[in-house]
Amino acid sequence: ETGVTQTPRHLVMGMTNKKSLKCEQHLGHNAMYWYKQSAKKPLELMFVYSLEERVENNSVPSRFSPECPNSSHLFLHLHTLQPEDSALYLCASSPEVYTEAFFGQGTRLTVV
Amino acid sequence: GQQLNQSPQSMFIQEGEDVSMNCTSSSIFNTWLWYKQDPGEGPVLLIALYKAGELTSNGRLTAQFGITRKDSFLNISASIPSDVGIYFCAGQDEAGSARQLTFGSGTQLTVLP
Repeated sequence: ETGVTQTPRHLVMGMTNKKSLKCEQHLGHNAMYWYKQSAKKPLELMFVYSLEERVENNSVPSRFSPECPNSSHLFLHLHTLQPEDSALYLCASSPEVYTEAFFGQGTRLTVV
Repeated sequence: GQQLNQSPQSMFIQEGEDVSMNCTSSSIFNTWLWYKQDPGEGPVLLIALYKAGELTSNGRLTAQFGITRKDSFLNISASIPSDVGIYFCAGQDEAGSARQLTFGSGTQLTVLP
């Protein structure tokens, strides 16, 4: 398996649920990212990790909690989300931080 | 922070026609990237540009890094139905905290048979 893999592809959760998104990259990259993509808006960078260290947190609400246990895996833990958090959540990796990003297929999240 | 203006927002073209889209920025970029996103999928990197004036091709796609370093263009020749999707530009400068990739809002391309 190659590239960047995200699971699940689709997720429906209630506002009181706790769930996690998973991302795995098989490219040997050192940096990983979470982006949020909402309709009609540019991609929004949420978190950046370089060699498992968080280097950027773009004013993301605390109901989103990232975890990077190693340079190949990235998680996004979700709790008490709001309906406006419904979006496509994209994971990406790059050889070094802030070089060209390679994206996973995304998780389509719907909060009900 | 930087802003990217991508145009047009959407295009409807006939199969076989050529397509042009562009991005302009409010600041100088050192890198320009072009991505394509199919429905329900993540963006796929098409072309990366690292030098002002650089012209790079990938099959029927050609992209250029503008001389002013504030713009970039993507051309698609002889469009086919599978070219349908959203095309995003992304740029990066290396000035302090602005090293993040900045993405355009995308150009939605529809190819009519």
